[in-house]
Amino acid sequence: SYVLTQPPSVSVAPGQTARITCGGNNIGSKSVHWYQQKPGQAPVLVVYDDSDRPSGIPERFSGSNSGNTATLTISRVEAGDEADYYCQVWDSSSDPVVFGGGTKLTVL
Amino acid sequence: EVQLVESGGGVVRPGGSLRLSCAASGFTFDDYGMSWVRQAPGKGLEWVSGINWNGGSTGYADSVKGRFTISRDNAKNSLYLQMNSLRAEDTALYHCAREPYGGNSGGWFDPWGQGTLVTVSS
Repeated sequence: SYVLTQPPSVSVAPGQTARITCGGNNIGSKSVHWYQQKPGQAPVLVVYDDSDRPSGIPERFSGSNSGNTATLTISRVEAGDEADYYCQVWDSSSDPVVFGGGTKLTVL
Repeated sequence: EVQLVESGGGVVRPGGSLRLSCAASGFTFDDYGMSWVRQAPGKGLEWVSGINWNGGSTGYADSVKGRFTISRDNAKNSLYLQMNSLRAEDTALYHCAREPYGGNSGGWFDPWGQGTLVTVSS
């Protein structure tokens, strides 16, 4: 089955830029979606179809996807961005929906 | 306001059964495919099952195939997950989530419900 690989953790100082990667074989040929999950809360969609933002999500959140890596970029990071972030794709394998293992973003 | 509210979780012994429900409101339920996604304590997200707008197409993760059955009642704006032959590894918070299209064939999940906790333990 298809595998998505994320770094377990990323740390960044407030006001800096955080980049969270999601690796997969030829992931650039798929549409990648990103979720933010804060402790005790349900996941929230922050980027869909590689780089689109749902209404209500700040422009500071952006996405890109090419080759074997998709990236979620959070500009001007705030303390409130501290959360777990998951990437997700649909695949034609036996398990059609695949999530990455998640990345914990720590704001220093 | 679009809202999804799960119910039906609880503590069950290994080998037992449980039926989860998800009540949808604030949108035209039968325009959308729906899925169940679970999260074991302290772990990541795992897709469990999905269903298209009219229930005519379903999909399951290999880990639950043959044990779980997804269904929906559009007249009641409700999604269900019948879970049989439960195992300790099924212990998780189960979320229902809306897909962007009716076909259960691609896309993202938005919104998500808060989840209902299933604990499988003797």
